[in-house]
Amino acid sequence: DTAVSQTPKYLVTQMGNDKSIKCEQNLGHDTMYWYKQDSKKFLKIMFSYNNKELIINETVPNRFSPKSPDKAHLNLHINSLELGDSAVYFCASSQGTVIPIQYFGAGTRLSVL
Amino acid sequence: SQQGEEDPQALSIQEGENATMNCSYKTSINNLQWYRQNSGRGLVHLILIRSNEREKHSGRLRVTLDTSKKSSSLLITASRAADTASYFCATDAKVNDYKLSFGAGTTVTVRA
Repeated sequence: DTAVSQTPKYLVTQMGNDKSIKCEQNLGHDTMYWYKQDSKKFLKIMFSYNNKELIINETVPNRFSPKSPDKAHLNLHINSLELGDSAVYFCASSQGTVIPIQYFGAGTRLSVL
Repeated sequence: SQQGEEDPQALSIQEGENATMNCSYKTSINNLQWYRQNSGRGLVHLILIRSNEREKHSGRLRVTLDTSKKSSSLLITASRAADTASYFCATDAKVNDYKLSFGAGTTVTVRA
């Protein structure tokens, strides 16, 4: 069973569209994250939820909105997609902060045309 | 901002050789981790070293941490083709901090 799963794996869309990426973890973790990895492989934290509460909200355009319906799910909705949003988006999860190891999904490659 | 900076950016070695990569960071840390990313996949945790530890081993991996120099190294011994991947260091700066700051990674290619 995949521990952290994201859908879709690939997303190709036109500028101006709205899209969502879903993430689910079956590890029983209490914290989930969204990261953006650009073409140079820089990995940047975007958001984090702990027990459905937003705890990290980095400087991200407000076109990006995370939603956590429960501890096991964290979705990312993006409005009015722009060319610069093209990247790989990773979901991750962790349990608490004593041992801050994060478990990553396989990524969603978003291409905005 | 990126906390960690890996060096070198890319490394190409022959199977069986050792691979060493370094990570430098800017601010005090609580823990430092190394992750591996195979092409087209997510990151996988390899090893964690706490700020009060100087060296740690896990299988063919050896990690060192020098907090006075704000640097860490990852050594992979007897490399295999399957070790071909990008390797990232990640730091958390405070106790009870959920936020990890990642470096730009070192891309390692192991030639058969």
